[in-house]
Amino acid sequence: DTGVSQDPRHKITKRGQNVTFRCDPISEHNRLYWYRQTLGQGPEFLTYFQNEAQLEKSRLLSDRFSAERPKGSFSTLEIQRTEQGDSAMYLCASSSPLTGGVNEQYFGPGTRLTVT
Amino acid sequence: GIQVEQSPPDLILQEGANSTLRCNFSDSVNNLQWFHQNPWGQLINLFYIPSGTKQNGRLSATTVATERYSLLYISSSQTTDSGVYFCAVVEWSNTGKLIFGQGTTLQVKP
Repeated sequence: DTGVSQDPRHKITKRGQNVTFRCDPISEHNRLYWYRQTLGQGPEFLTYFQNEAQLEKSRLLSDRFSAERPKGSFSTLEIQRTEQGDSAMYLCASSSPLTGGVNEQYFGPGTRLTVT
Repeated sequence: GIQVEQSPPDLILQEGANSTLRCNFSDSVNNLQWFHQNPWGQLINLFYIPSGTKQNGRLSATTVATERYSLLYISSSQTTDSGVYFCAVVEWSNTGKLIFGQGTTLQVKP
């Protein structure tokens, strides 16, 4: 059983460029979450998918951010017109509450974004 | 929204010592997880423990949901235990999003 994978692991971009990150959840996990973590802080929730439906978005997710999960499997997170304040670790997690009602989330290794 | 507070914020131990990390939360929860974040940023699952007590090797955790706190015990600490420990909770009637505390940074010295 492979874990959650994310690509790329590191991304350096110039301010104003667009970036896209990918997350592949644990197979058969129907729930997928994106979080953002800045230095010295705990992760903060960005958005949540159940299958292909995006059911919740945080106020942190400005209109420059968009996330998709087109077939209910992998997900992408795109940031348009990046700003220096977008520099952070972007974490993806998946879970499957169908497994005995336990909704334990498992995290990927993260994508570390640096905006110069 | 729910508030999650972890203490202490920082902890330095000698190898072999025991420690207790605390997580307080301000409202009822239906999920609580403990994680260890390694130096590369990976969050490693330690416990899924909305209530009760669990043990895994040198680690154990107890959640007293009615009193809104959870404790993580580390016994006979090793240098590989160093890193940041996070507690995260899910509110009732929620989509399952985790609300994290600020973490406890543990340094174990040889």
